[in-house]
Amino acid sequence: NAGVTQTPKFQVLKTGQSMTLQCAQDMNHEYMSWYRQDPGMGLRLIHYSVGAGITDQGEVPNGYNVSRSTTEDFPLRLLSAAPSQTSVYFCASSYSQLSTDTQYFGPGTRLTVL
Amino acid sequence: AQSVTQLDSHVSVSEGTPVLLRCNYSSSYSPSLFWYVQHPNKGLQLLLKYTSAATLVKGINGFEAEFKKSETSFHLTKPSAHMSDAAEYFCVVINTGGFKTIFGAGTRLFVKA
Repeated sequence: NAGVTQTPKFQVLKTGQSMTLQCAQDMNHEYMSWYRQDPGMGLRLIHYSVGAGITDQGEVPNGYNVSRSTTEDFPLRLLSAAPSQTSVYFCASSYSQLSTDTQYFGPGTRLTVL
Repeated sequence: AQSVTQLDSHVSVSEGTPVLLRCNYSSSYSPSLFWYVQHPNKGLQLLLKYTSAATLVKGINGFEAEFKKSETSFHLTKPSAHMSDAAEYFCVVINTGGFKTIFGAGTRLFVKA
């Protein structure tokens, strides 16, 4: 079991560029989510998915797009990168959306937007 | 509305002394509560979770936390700190009424030799 994997580990973008952060899990988890981590703010939920074909917005969705065509993959797209999107991005998955389920986190992607 | 407050942004202890990381929460529903640890440049790892069973929860690496509903607290403790405990710790609340995850701002633990 690889768990939750994320690529790339590091990325530098120029303002206005677009890119996709990849996330995959091999645990057959239904629930997947994307967070951003900024100093002193903990992790904030960007988007989440409760299963293939179903996504919804979290706390800070603006500027990001997601889709979920398979159970395994949950990519995060930055449509037009802005310096305010400089952050560390974490993908997480859990068996279901029950509040008692443990979320498993990927190693993160460190994104810098110049 | 739900929220999580970690009362200390930094805690410094000497190796072998007790650790106390404080977390208060507010929730409209019966919450599930978690503590995660993040070592430098790593992802988050679950330490322990409370899901309305026993109020004293034991986790990995000797950590434990006690759910106190009357005080709306879920403080993390460890009897004796080890150098490898130096990391950032996050308290997390999830309402049973809906899957909305709220993270605290984090507490960075320093362990002195």
